Amino acid sequence: TQLLEQSPQFLSIQEGENLTVYCNSSSVFSSLQWYRQEPGEGPVLLVTVVTGGEVKKLKRLTFQFGDARKDSSLHITAAQPGDTGLYLCAGVPQGGSEKLVFGKGTKLTVNP
Amino acid sequence: NAGVTQTPKFRILKIGQSMTLQCTQDMNHNYMYWYRQDPGMGLKLIYYSVGAGITDKGEVPNGYNVSRSTTEDFPLRLELAAPSQTSVYFCASSTTFWGKYNEQFFGPGTRLTVL
Repeated sequence: TQLLEQSPQFLSIQEGENLTVYCNSSSVFSSLQWYRQEPGEGPVLLVTVVTGGEVKKLKRLTFQFGDARKDSSLHITAAQPGDTGLYLCAGVPQGGSEKLVFGKGTKLTVNP
Repeated sequence: NAGVTQTPKFRILKIGQSMTLQCTQDMNHNYMYWYRQDPGMGLKLIYYSVGAGITDKGEVPNGYNVSRSTTEDFPLRLELAAPSQTSVYFCASSTTFWGKYNEQFFGPGTRLTVL
């Protein structure tokens, strides 16, 4: 059973377009994180959200944690080729073993 | 700081062979983790350690062993390699253990193929 479902699995867009990727669950999470992984590298943490309804911005990236703390979204404005990579959401289920669980990821390609 | 380093970068094993994947961190983190990443499957936790001398199983520990004799090093041992262990292996470390603000720092990975 996959606790965190990410969609879409693949996304290919042109430079300058906007996009949103989603991370959904039927479980409540104490926090959710977003990582970006470039080819041949390990994941790198982008942001952690901990409060229901929280919105965080990182330059052209906007992260939102759902009010019920069961889902999160990542919105990229005016995507650039440097945004290409695998975006992983990860979270700590509330009341569980406190171990971090990862989604399967969204593979984003931004074409020049 | 080099962060988390892993060796080797690539390795091909024959079925039944054994090997050790090396992981070293220079950030003085107490907590270290081993994950495997299969295509389209995200990251699965193999083993983790909360400090020197203390290790515990994660989600997919079968076929692997670990040790933690120092804060810096956390090697992963594969005994009797099987094709199902073909994967990319990532080592990670953190200052906190799980919890809300756990930021994990990952190494560059080891790509292992078992033929």
